[in-house]
Amino acid sequence: DQQVKQNSPSLSVQEGRISILNCDYTNSMFDYFLWYKKYPAEGPTFLISISSIKDKNEDGRFTVFLNKSAKHLSLHIVPSQPGDSAVYFCAASVVGAGNMLTFGGGTRLMVKP
Amino acid sequence: DAGVIQSPRHEVTEMGQEVTLRCKPISGHNSLFWYRQTMMRGLELLIYFNNNVPIDDSGMPEDRFSAKMPNASFSTLKIQPSEPRDSAVYFCASRTTGRGYEQYFGPGTRLTVT
Repeated sequence: DQQVKQNSPSLSVQEGRISILNCDYTNSMFDYFLWYKKYPAEGPTFLISISSIKDKNEDGRFTVFLNKSAKHLSLHIVPSQPGDSAVYFCAASVVGAGNMLTFGGGTRLMVKP
Repeated sequence: DAGVIQSPRHEVTEMGQEVTLRCKPISGHNSLFWYRQTMMRGLELLIYFNNNVPIDDSGMPEDRFSAKMPNASFSTLKIQPSEPRDSAVYFCASRTTGRGYEQYFGPGTRLTVT
């Protein structure tokens, strides 16, 4: 039973264009969401997060959007750069429920020069 | 800041052998997490500790797996006996409570059991 799903295993984007990575969740108790980036042979690194009281959070080229009614979040990267090529994981948590994160399966982003 | 340190980075062992993975969390972090990443199951939480105390080990696959945290700066994940299906990348992560929910991951240990 996957509570967090990333339905696109891969995405290819041209440098300078927008990358949109999507994530869906089923557990309505989730109220905090995070995106991680992972390069080969490295651990995931935290990218950006959003609380369920917001619908948007922006940090430089990265913006996360949350649609609670649809149980959907997305990560926008604008403009995309070749160095953004990595696997992106979304994760969800229930505030006050022990800090545990539930991860999606990941989306491999390839940004072509 | 050295980040989360894991050792070894790679481990190759034969079925039936004992394997011990090690983790040093970021100094000052009071929560520590062990994850396993496989192609089939993705990134799954095995166990986590708060203030060196195991809080939830429901993700530990079976009794062959055990984890300890004897002090705030060290944790081990042990598999005894190991099996080929234990082959995966094992990550350790840490965080500090009260500052968001982001966890900081180590580089992982790639375990191969032949």
